[in-house]
Amino acid sequence: SQQGEEDPQALSIQEGENATMNCSYKTSINNLQWYRQNSGRGLVHLILIRSNEREKHSGRLRVTLDTSKKSSSLLITASRAADTASYFCATDEVDDMRFGAGTRLTVKP
Amino acid sequence: DAGVIQSPRHEVTEMGQEVTLRCKPISGHDYLFWYRQTMMRGLELLIYFNNNVPIDDSGMPEDRFSAKMPNASFSTLKIQPSEPRDSAVYFCASSPLAGGWNEQFFGPGTRLTVL
Repeated sequence: SQQGEEDPQALSIQEGENATMNCSYKTSINNLQWYRQNSGRGLVHLILIRSNEREKHSGRLRVTLDTSKKSSSLLITASRAADTASYFCATDEVDDMRFGAGTRLTVKP
Repeated sequence: DAGVIQSPRHEVTEMGQEVTLRCKPISGHDYLFWYRQTMMRGLELLIYFNNNVPIDDSGMPEDRFSAKMPNASFSTLKIQPSEPRDSAVYFCASSPLAGGWNEQFFGPGTRLTVL
């Protein structure tokens, strides 16, 4: 079963705009990760945020984590056509890692 | 490093046939994971190994599925007999450290179609 649930399921924006994706989860976690998947390819790790962190940056990516609400957001600033992909959050449990259903992002040139 | 290598990239087989998927993890990584991805169920963890030892296979759907890791550089996922509902993309991933479930490196996947 899936732990993280992304919202929205699909997002379409123009190049240059910001894209925000959200992830909610149910149980306590040690960390939360975001991955990207291009069509027909494997997942690529983007960023990891630990449960004691509230915000993390990596280039044009900004991730926030609110453990009280059991939610995280991924912000991609100044989006590019090459950012078109599916984005997944993944949360850890004791002996498992659960991926959400993903947000399909389309960035139009 | 070449990254995680999976073979074959595509497999088409008929119901009832045995299917073997192969994975070579990144050298030096102690953890290896097998995932299955479908539109209906998303990405599911099937099984993972630590130092060639299976740790948790609770995600393996049925006894038709089996996985082995005979050495640190090779793992197989076998389906026998295969069924149409096994059609999916199977990913292998490796990680240098799974404590706290840190970054995993995914292979390109094997797209399996069972007719």
